[in-house]
Amino acid sequence: GIQVEQSPPDLILQEGANSTLRCNFSDSVNNLQWFHQNPWGQLINLFYIPSGTKQNGRLSATTVATERYSLLYISSSQTTDSGVYFCAVEPRGGYQKVTFGTGTKLQVIP
Amino acid sequence: DAGVIQSPRHEVTEMGQEVTLRCKPISGHDYLFWYRQTMMRGLELLIYFNNNVPIDDSGMPEDRFSAKMPNASFSTLKIQPSEPRDSAVYFCASSRQGRSNQPQHFGDGTRLSIL
Repeated sequence: GIQVEQSPPDLILQEGANSTLRCNFSDSVNNLQWFHQNPWGQLINLFYIPSGTKQNGRLSATTVATERYSLLYISSSQTTDSGVYFCAVEPRGGYQKVTFGTGTKLQVIP
Repeated sequence: DAGVIQSPRHEVTEMGQEVTLRCKPISGHDYLFWYRQTMMRGLELLIYFNNNVPIDDSGMPEDRFSAKMPNASFSTLKIQPSEPRDSAVYFCASSRQGRSNQPQHFGDGTRLSIL
C-alpha cells in the first residue's frame, strides 16, 4: 500500500516562532488532508488540499501532487498549537480509503 | 451543525466481555469510517461503509471484530470477546460523496481499556 512519511517526528518551538511540517507519500493520491490532534485527543480537520495552496489564519498548506509531498506552515506559533499533526492521503483508485502518516508531535513553549 | 457523535467516550471492561461502540454520522453523509489509534500502530482504518453497505473491511484485525450500519444515522463496532490488546482509541468519521472528494469529519473517539 501507499507509504506516508512525516517529518520531523518531534518539534519544540518557542512561542512566536515559525515552522514547516512535511508529508511525503509514495504514490499518486486523490486527496490529502491535514489534521491536528489536540492534547484532548480530538482530531481537527485543518486542510483538505489535494493540490495547490490554502491559507487559514496563521496556518497554510501546499501540496505538490506531482512531486508527492505536502507542507504545512505554522506562523507565529502559540501554545494552543501544541499537539500532533497528521497528514492523511487517499491513494488514487482507493476511493475514500485513507492512510495516515505517523505524525509530527509539536510542543510550543511560552 | 452537529458533528459525528460517538458513545461511550470511555469504556473500561474486563477481558472476555463484549464491547459495543456506537457512532452517529453527520446527517447527509454517505460514507462512514471506523479507525483505531494505538501508540504502536498509529491511526488505522478498520472498515468503511457507503450508503450503509460495507465496502472494505480489510483493516478489521480479527473475526472478533464486527461492524454494522443498519441505517444512515447509526453504526456499531463490536468486539467479542475483547482482549487487552484491543485497548485503543476508536474513532468514527463520516464524509459526503460529491463531484469531488470530500473531507472526513471525525468524532471525539471512544477510549477503550480492556483489563
